[in-house]
Amino acid sequence: EAGVTQFPSHSVIEKGQTVTLRCDPISGHDNLYWYRRVMGKEIKFLLHFVKESKQDESGMPNNRFLAERTGGTYSTLKVQPAELEDSGVYFCASIQREPPNTGELFFGEGSRLTVL
Amino acid sequence: GQNIDQPTEMTATEGAIVQINCTYQTSGFNGLFWYQQHAGEAPTFLSYNVLDGLEEKGRFSSFLSRSKGYSYLLLKELQMKDSASYLCAVIEGTYKYIFGTGTRLKVLA
Repeated sequence: EAGVTQFPSHSVIEKGQTVTLRCDPISGHDNLYWYRRVMGKEIKFLLHFVKESKQDESGMPNNRFLAERTGGTYSTLKVQPAELEDSGVYFCASIQREPPNTGELFFGEGSRLTVL
Repeated sequence: GQNIDQPTEMTATEGAIVQINCTYQTSGFNGLFWYQQHAGEAPTFLSYNVLDGLEEKGRFSSFLSRSKGYSYLLLKELQMKDSASYLCAVIEGTYKYIFGTGTRLKVLA
């Protein structure tokens, strides 16, 4: 079974440009999370989807960030326009709520964003 | 507020035992996870504690004391491949996972 996949693995853009990150969760996982890790800091929650609905987007830094999950399958996270402080690794994770449920989050390998 | 503290770095010798501590202050505690993350890779699940006590899984054990807001991850018979970051994460409510900064463990030969 395929795990959580993220694309691109690394993106280098200039300040002011737009980047779209994509996450494909494990098939059948209704719950999808976006997290961000800035160098030396903790992995910080951005938002949580249940199917196509945003359950909690309290961690989104500002309105330059837009997350979507049309159809409740894959999700995209768009940053527009990107700023220097947006640099970091963006992780996607998914979880199955229905049994068997061990409660663990399954993570993707992350998308590293570098804004110059 | 939410706060999870772990040491930033630890060093240990191959074959030794190391204990990585995690203290937390959260509301609506619903369990604690430990994840391992090698550089450039996805965090992978190690353990889950929701009740007080010790959970053992091979060379790894995890302990929880809810009254003290404290957990530790114990790694025995350290191997070079155990060099990684170890993340402590707490669940608040049913779906909110909050992570610490992680502890970078270096295993020396």
